Amino acid sequence: ILNVEQSPQSLHVQEGDSTNFTCSFPSSNFYALHWYRWETAKSPEALFVMTLNGDEKKKGRISATLNTKEGYSYLYIKGSQPEDSATYLCAFGGATNKLIFGTGTLLAVQP
Amino acid sequence: EPEVTQTPSHQVTQMGQEVILRCVPISNHLYFYWYRQILGQKVEFLVSFYNNEISEKSEIFDDQFSVERPDGSNFTLKIRSTKLEDSAMYFCASSEEAGLDSNSPLHFGNGTRLTVT
Repeated sequence: ILNVEQSPQSLHVQEGDSTNFTCSFPSSNFYALHWYRWETAKSPEALFVMTLNGDEKKKGRISATLNTKEGYSYLYIKGSQPEDSATYLCAFGGATNKLIFGTGTLLAVQP
Repeated sequence: EPEVTQTPSHQVTQMGQEVILRCVPISNHLYFYWYRQILGQKVEFLVSFYNNEISEKSEIFDDQFSVERPDGSNFTLKIRSTKLEDSAMYFCASSEEAGLDSNSPLHFGNGTRLTVT
């Protein structure tokens, strides 16, 4: 059974703090790792799709790294803002069309 | 920006009834999906659909479930005889591409909350 784990489950930070979360996934049959940002009452929104070992991607204050050999990805948020409050989901894409999601990390940024 | 739309946003039905959840994917996308999230659990894959046929389905997607793209814009999920355990948030998604090494993200709708009583 393929399993994707995320940690921590939840995180409370102050505005301005930098933070990071972890996603671990199977290191075999890897094809892609997705990150999504999911605000309450909205749809999950794609942040990054990474396919190559060593990939680093950045969008504004958010960045992500990928290590496919050891099966982990980090998501970093620099200088957290209240509007960053959301659940951050990672999802593993193997040799099929389906994504296997982690449980998510719930981030709450206090002003 | 184009988006995936789902209707209804909330559906309440009695056990044993049929429900149809509707989705309009982004118009130039070729791959369509249904995922669901039971409260407190992970988002889980149900089915993917390409070129008017199912390309992959999970073990959840048994013969009580079916999908259809009846008119080139709508993409529907039908549950023939709902069970209590079908209560979940159902998400439709679409992507430009899929498969090995694809860089295409999924674009999700806002979901339909299905409550089976």
